[in-house]
Amino acid sequence: GAGVSQSPSNKVTEKGKDVELRCDPISGHTALYWYRQSLGQGLEFLIYFQGNSAPDKSGLPSDRFSAERTGGSVSTLTIQRTQQEDSAVYLCASSLVHRDETQYFGPGTRLLVL
Amino acid sequence: AQSVTQLDSHVSVSEGTPVLLRCNYSSSYSPSLFWYVQHPNKGLQLLLKYTSAATLVKGINGFEAEFKKSETSFHLTKPSAHMSDAAEYFCVVEGSARQLTFGSGTQLTVLP
Repeated sequence: GAGVSQSPSNKVTEKGKDVELRCDPISGHTALYWYRQSLGQGLEFLIYFQGNSAPDKSGLPSDRFSAERTGGSVSTLTIQRTQQEDSAVYLCASSLVHRDETQYFGPGTRLLVL
Repeated sequence: AQSVTQLDSHVSVSEGTPVLLRCNYSSSYSPSLFWYVQHPNKGLQLLLKYTSAATLVKGINGFEAEFKKSETSFHLTKPSAHMSDAAEYFCVVEGSARQLTFGSGTQLTVLP
């Protein structure tokens, strides 16, 4: 079946603009995660959605970052007033949680803030 | 809280020779541990995972990892490197709320 998909694959924006990144998890997966991979650094957890529960936002680096998940499926990560340090690869992952703890990753969105 | 340390940022081996990528972890409870591989311009792919069953875990593409609680290690090995193994490898520990904590990555270069 289809894996996790993300769009756009690449995004170039100007400093100060808002961007939206989209993630389509694997059908039936109740858990969804956003991570960020900055150049030369390891992956950084951002936010976690589990079913209809309140999301775990503990990894969001600032209040310019927000995410929502509509209908328990598609998720959008929004970065407001982008800064150059926001340039990174943003990865989305999903998992079944109860029967399978493996997280399956999408291909990522490469964000470049000029 | 948990953390992961990948001891080598870069490893270079010749094709056909063994691969060893080192990983140490810390966790306040019995962790689940993973190795992921990321090829250039591609997403992360799960190589193998340890979830408190057998301590020697076999993964895809001939990779193995051994969980050693006494050493808090989860090193990744392969008997014979192939050119297609060149990639970045991440050691990962699963924490609370199913969060994954990633190591900083090890870039593997395979020389002909």
